[in-house]
Amino acid sequence: ETGVTQTPRHLVMGMTNKKSLKCEQHLGHNAMYWYKQSAKKPLELMFVYNFKEQTENNSVPSRFSPECPNSSHLFLHLHTLQPEDSALYLCASSQVRASSYNEQFFGPGTRLTVL
Amino acid sequence: SQELEQSPQSLIVQEGKNLTINCTSSKTLYGLYWYKQKYGEGLIFLMMLQKGGEEKSHEKITAKLDEKKQQSSLHITASQPSHAGIYLCGADFPRGDSWGKLQFGAGTQVVVTP
Repeated sequence: ETGVTQTPRHLVMGMTNKKSLKCEQHLGHNAMYWYKQSAKKPLELMFVYNFKEQTENNSVPSRFSPECPNSSHLFLHLHTLQPEDSALYLCASSQVRASSYNEQFFGPGTRLTVL
Repeated sequence: SQELEQSPQSLIVQEGKNLTINCTSSKTLYGLYWYKQKYGEGLIFLMMLQKGGEEKSHEKITAKLDEKKQQSSLHITASQPSHAGIYLCGADFPRGDSWGKLQFGAGTQVVVTP
């Protein structure tokens, strides 16, 4: 699967570090998403970008900062994280059309561990 | 609040046996999406159901959506080790300009034993 790529695949960071997650989609989609997946919890939508504009911020702490420079790239900047932020972070993309269906395609995820 | 409930949370099935997973919504949904995830990896799109009463099949996997569009089932026939993983249902709901946003169930972990 190379439609949506994410780097790095694994990341270990201390609470005082600053790091960034990168996502790239090669599907020509107009919307991109960040999700957080913690153990035994449903997928949590964090951010949505539609046509490069942020349309959703699901009450995410400010230590997570998204950036979408164009419709193919999405970043998640991380700083002063907490151990409870350790999770699998998934990026997805879709082609959003009003009154239409919305299958999202996911990247492989970044496994983040905060020490 | 959790709008999509999946059951069971996990199940163990012997290779060659059938299994069924359910996904129930508290309200009428617009589209229902089934995904499969291997541990620690991304979600793989399986199929999408749109119309009440719709049924789709791919290889040994069949998904159905009830007439009221509030419940879906995923059925695997003659399970194989390759069917092991976590199955998640996702749904979008008709609510104004919220197009493009899916809500997900908690997932069902499937283990296939020899």
